[in-house]
Amino acid sequence: ETGVTQSPTHLIKTRGQQVTLRCSSQSGHNTVSWYQQALGQGPQFIFQYYREEENGRGNFPPRFSGLQFPNYSSELNVNALELDDSALYLCASSYGGQPQHFGDGTRLSIL
Amino acid sequence: AQSVTQPDIHITVSEGASLELRCNYSYGATPYLFWYVQSPGQGLQLLLKYFSGDTLVQGIKGFEAEFKRSQSSFNLRKPSVHWSDAAEYFCAVASNSGYSTLTFGKGTMLLVSP
Repeated sequence: ETGVTQSPTHLIKTRGQQVTLRCSSQSGHNTVSWYQQALGQGPQFIFQYYREEENGRGNFPPRFSGLQFPNYSSELNVNALELDDSALYLCASSYGGQPQHFGDGTRLSIL
Repeated sequence: AQSVTQPDIHITVSEGASLELRCNYSYGATPYLFWYVQSPGQGLQLLLKYFSGDTLVQGIKGFEAEFKRSQSSFNLRKPSVHWSDAAEYFCAVASNSGYSTLTFGKGTMLLVSP
């Protein structure tokens, strides 16, 4: 059984640029959630996708957007990057009533 | 709104000693509670979960946690800590299991001394 995989593992961008992060959900999982984890903090919920539709959103501005594809993989897009966007971005997948399983994350650094 | 408080930012325990990590939650209904562990540079691994039923739940790696509704607590315990347990531990609450969002505490960093 393949777990949650995220790419890339590390990324460096400059302010104002745009970035796309990718997530392949665990086999059989149809729900994907994205979290932002700033240094020294717990993860914060960005949004969730269920069967290709956004199913909930946290307190993040519209420049954070996402997609889920028919195979349940997902993308997180961030436009107009700011220094405060530097963080570990975690993807988690789940199915039905089962707990969310996390990938190893993408470390995004903004210069 | 739901919230989680982990009062201890860092805890140092001697190898072989017992461990208790504190977690207090705020939630209006019956919560779903989780403990996750994060090693440096890694994602989160689920240690255990509480949904309903027996308030003492067993998890992986010898961890257990006890749900106390009267104290709004879900403390994590281990009778004998191993050096490999050094990591950051996060408590989280959700309104249900898979579909709802997880609200995390700020984490407790566990250091294990020889």
